[in-house]
Amino acid sequence: DAGVTQSPTHLIKTRGQQVTLRCSPKSGHDTVSWYQQALGQGPQFIFQYYEEEERQRGNFPDRFSGHQFPNYSSELNVNALLLGDSALYLCASSVGPLDADTQYFGPGTRLTVL
Amino acid sequence: GDSVTQMEGPVTLSEEAFLTINCTYTATGYPSLFWYVQYPGEGLQLLLKATKADDKGSNKGFEATYRKETTSFHLEKGSVQVSDSAVYFCALSANNNDMRFGAGTRLTVKP
Repeated sequence: DAGVTQSPTHLIKTRGQQVTLRCSPKSGHDTVSWYQQALGQGPQFIFQYYEEEERQRGNFPDRFSGHQFPNYSSELNVNALLLGDSALYLCASSVGPLDADTQYFGPGTRLTVL
Repeated sequence: GDSVTQMEGPVTLSEEAFLTINCTYTATGYPSLFWYVQYPGEGLQLLLKATKADDKGSNKGFEATYRKETTSFHLEKGSVQVSDSAVYFCALSANNNDMRFGAGTRLTVKP
């Protein structure tokens, strides 16, 4: 049983560009949450998708957007990249939007903005 | 809003030493509390959890007790190993999957 998978593993972009990160949830999970982990910091919640809709959102600007597909996989899009967007982006999946106890994290995508 | 404060470190211990990493929280409701571990180059792994006051979470020799009176969830292990070297995160969730994490504590165990 594959766990949460994310692609790509690493990504380098320049300021002003746009980026799309992808996440496949653990088998049986239908909810995906995205987190940003800056170097030396704890993860910060970006948003959560359930039933193909954004259900919750953290304190992130509209440059951060997402999508969830019928197979429960998800994408995170970041527009107009800033140097400060450089971070490890973690995807977590769970069974339903209210059950943090079943939340599993993927290995992350390391984004570097030059 | 809800938040977690944990002992920042880094922490360096010799093998078989006793470990304590302090974690306190602020929450309006009754959150679930978690400890996650992050090994170099990897994502977060759930280490243990507790969902109500006085619950004790335990796994791989690590323990933490949910103390509502002191709003704490300190992580302990009686005898650390080199393989325990990692970054440890305390986190809380008020049943909405919006997990709030501490800044992390880097533990290095020397042989």
